[in-house]
Amino acid sequence: DAGVTQSPTHLIKTRGQHVTLRCSPISGHKSVSWYQQVLGQGPQFIFQYYEKEERGRGNFPDRFSARQFPNYSSELNVNALLLGDSALYLCASSGIEQGYEQYFGPGTRLTVT
Amino acid sequence: DAKTTQPPSMDCAEGRAANLPCNHSTISGNEYVYWYRQIHSQGPQYIIHGLKNNETNEMASLIITEDRKSSTLILPHATLRDTAVYYCIVRVPFGNEKLTFGTGTRLTIIP
Repeated sequence: DAGVTQSPTHLIKTRGQHVTLRCSPISGHKSVSWYQQVLGQGPQFIFQYYEKEERGRGNFPDRFSARQFPNYSSELNVNALLLGDSALYLCASSGIEQGYEQYFGPGTRLTVT
Repeated sequence: DAKTTQPPSMDCAEGRAANLPCNHSTISGNEYVYWYRQIHSQGPQYIIHGLKNNETNEMASLIITEDRKSSTLILPHATLRDTAVYYCIVRVPFGNEKLTFGTGTRLTIIP
């Protein structure tokens, strides 16, 4: 079975630009969460979506937004990029069949220059 | 979610049991203890979770004290591939997918 997939793997952006990151959950999982992991720290929760509705939001500015599509895939958008947005962005999915454990994708490494 | 405290780093000889402690003294009655690990530059990987009884799966064992204020993750026969950062998290599992990660324990397996 395919795990959580994320695209792109790496990307480099310039300050002020915007970026869209994509996530496909494990088949059958209806919940998707996004995390930001800055070098040397643990992942920090950004958003959770369930059945296309936002269920949770972490302490991130409004420059961060997300959405979930009818097929349960998700996008994370970040506007007006800052140098401090450079991080590994992780997507996790969960489903009732696995007792709601979070399964993480490999992440997207974003570098802002 | 309750806060957890873990040692920043530990070493363990290959083939020996690795015992990773976690303190969660403010855990509430409906919160479970979860363990994840993160191998360098990969996404975190779920290991095991429990409420109050000891748990074992193919990866590890989880020992939770009777007062539930601390727990220990045991990797019975550590291999070099177990070198990773291990995170202990407490949360209510249902209807709340948010995971609050601390800084974890960096476990290094020594050949």
